[in-house]
Amino acid sequence: GAVVSQHPSRVICKSGTSVKIECRSLDFQATTMFWYRQFPKKSLMLMATSNEGSKATYEQGVEKDKFLINHASLTLSTLTVTSAHPEDSSFYICSARGRHSGSGTGELFFGEGSRLTVL
Amino acid sequence: LAKTTQPISMDSYEGQEVNITCSHNNIATNDYITWYQQFPSQGPRFIIQGYKTKVTNEVASLFIPADRKSSTLSLPRVSLSDTAVYYCLVGDIGGGFKTIFGAGTRLFVKA
Repeated sequence: GAVVSQHPSRVICKSGTSVKIECRSLDFQATTMFWYRQFPKKSLMLMATSNEGSKATYEQGVEKDKFLINHASLTLSTLTVTSAHPEDSSFYICSARGRHSGSGTGELFFGEGSRLTVL
Repeated sequence: LAKTTQPISMDSYEGQEVNITCSHNNIATNDYITWYQQFPSQGPRFIIQGYKTKVTNEVASLFIPADRKSSTLSLPRVSLSDTAVYYCLVGDIGGGFKTIFGAGTRLFVKA
């Protein structure tokens, strides 16, 4: 099946620094990518929807200047957490949907997730 | 987007069949039903997807009644490694639906 890769899987940073997380679709072209964050024992919360070549659409309550999303190519989307603070510590997950994704029925492929810890 | 309701948690024993039901009373005509599995510190993994009646693959079956207001994920003969959170999602895949996750069902399989 299709593979979505996230990097880094774990990152620890100091408060005030910015962190970039990459999400790559390895064997298909991802026209749409989604970014989520997940707190311990909680469900995934959709942060934004990213379409290739256009600005991301953010969910209510998600600061677009805080969480910068770039989807410059059909295989790469990045999430940059700017001026990170301890409350931004979370598990960030991306997913991708291709033009002819999976079996053709709109299957989403998820990355492995990236755990961010802000000290 | 159709809201989904699932049991918060379920317990089972190895070798048993597990059925997890999801309610989606407001499902729309173009909506599909998709189930995902998530292990701790991993991204969700696709299990099965269906529109109506019954769908079966190598890992699970999905039962959808005629009114489509609910669906049941059936896991045959679960093992300890099936302990995970299971999410039911409903949306119009052709319309580029946003994947809004509900709380999911935490399945714990005991030896």
